[in-house]
Amino acid sequence: ETGVTQTPRHLVMGMTNKKSLKCEQHLGHNAMYWYKQSAKKPLELMFVYSLEERVENNSVPSRFSPECPNSSHLFLHLHTLQPEDSALYLCASSRGKTGVDSPLHFGNGTRLTVT
Amino acid sequence: AQSVTQPDIHITVSEGASLELRCNYSYGATPYLFWYVQSPGQGLQLLLKYFSGDTLVQGIKGFEAEFKRSQSSFNLRKPSVHWSDAAEYFCAAYYYGGSQGNLIFGKGTKLSVKP
Repeated sequence: ETGVTQTPRHLVMGMTNKKSLKCEQHLGHNAMYWYKQSAKKPLELMFVYSLEERVENNSVPSRFSPECPNSSHLFLHLHTLQPEDSALYLCASSRGKTGVDSPLHFGNGTRLTVT
Repeated sequence: AQSVTQPDIHITVSEGASLELRCNYSYGATPYLFWYVQSPGQGLQLLLKYFSGDTLVQGIKGFEAEFKRSQSSFNLRKPSVHWSDAAEYFCAAYYYGGSQGNLIFGKGTKLSVKP
């Protein structure tokens, strides 16, 4: 049990579908993150929320839409994705908003395949 | 440019042998330095971190890392590897920039352990 739970674990979707990834943290943290992990590439930060306010958006295409309704839940809404969006999407949380003063706690990820 | 380099993509060591995983960070890192480990099918877990003080830091699972400013390196070591250490290891460095700093990850080093 990592304290950060992601669902689903695996997702296969067509390019015209709409789906959502869910993340829930049980650690009382104030910040939540979405990362994209692709083969042979460094982990890419997508979005950061601190106290439910988005503080970072790293030039992510608009086909990815995050939502943070409260400090325990984070969603990533997906629509009209491309095959190159296939990757492992990791959610993380931390006490602070940088991942430095307190370490990042990661979920086990959602393996997304876009067909 | 902000970057973290892990020169070795894949390393294989025998169980019981010593291990060193290399990490170099580009100029401009704070340096707040981290090593994370990712076991198959799981998210990343913090092994250890360096902020200041003693340049040799101890982490979980018997790992240690040494910060060498002159070499811009933060190599991870373990004196005797166990089969359960087989995983992917990620070095990360924190860079200040604008209103929000960035935690930059390397591409990772996959460790295989042979009996």
